[in-house]
Amino acid sequence: GENVEQHPSTLSVQEGDSAVIKCTYSDSASNYFPWYKQELGKGPQLIIDIRSNVGEKKDQRIAVTLNKTAKHFSLHITETQPEDSAVYFCAASREEAQKLVFGQGTRLTINP
Amino acid sequence: NAGVTQTPKFQVLKTGQSMTLQCAQDMNHEYMSWYRQDPGMGLRLIHYSVGAGITDQGEVPNGYNVSRSTTEDFPLRLLSAAPSQTSVYFCASSSQGLSNQPQHFGDGTRLSIL
Repeated sequence: GENVEQHPSTLSVQEGDSAVIKCTYSDSASNYFPWYKQELGKGPQLIIDIRSNVGEKKDQRIAVTLNKTAKHFSLHITETQPEDSAVYFCAASREEAQKLVFGQGTRLTINP
Repeated sequence: NAGVTQTPKFQVLKTGQSMTLQCAQDMNHEYMSWYRQDPGMGLRLIHYSVGAGITDQGEVPNGYNVSRSTTEDFPLRLLSAAPSQTSVYFCASSSQGLSNQPQHFGDGTRLSIL
């Protein structure tokens, strides 16, 4: 089955700097790659997703890139702000499998 | 619009007790799922359902049962609680009966087994 590895497990950056979180997946048939943000005491919330027919997607300060050949995808947050502090999860799935597999999570801390 | 509602928010059980975690959604979503979240292990899929009357196992189904009698509700049952089931449990739903649609999560049930 699918296996998703996420790095780093913790990340600390200065406010205004960029943050990058990376994930690798094992199933070459996976075609959907979402990123979720989880704030303390809350459930995860989708922030951006990308499908396998696209190499990059941007939404304001957030971007995701996908390299299908290498089977890895990354989340990029630019101009980080204190409210970006949270735990971030990547995930992967293929439609016919009906299962979403998550990475282990990255705790991002933005230092003022 | 409440979204996904989980009850209770907190629960403490003794080993061997049984209980049901409730999950309800008001978005008419076909796909619903249960995850457990443990430190350093991310979210792991327990069971999922692609519509009323249809359920299937996820990655870690042992010790848990589910049923889907209505579109709105997807309860998770612990048959005989064990300390290894201490975790935070999340319910999620999405439209079109597919896992590759945005998942809407509840705020979780924090469960401790003594």
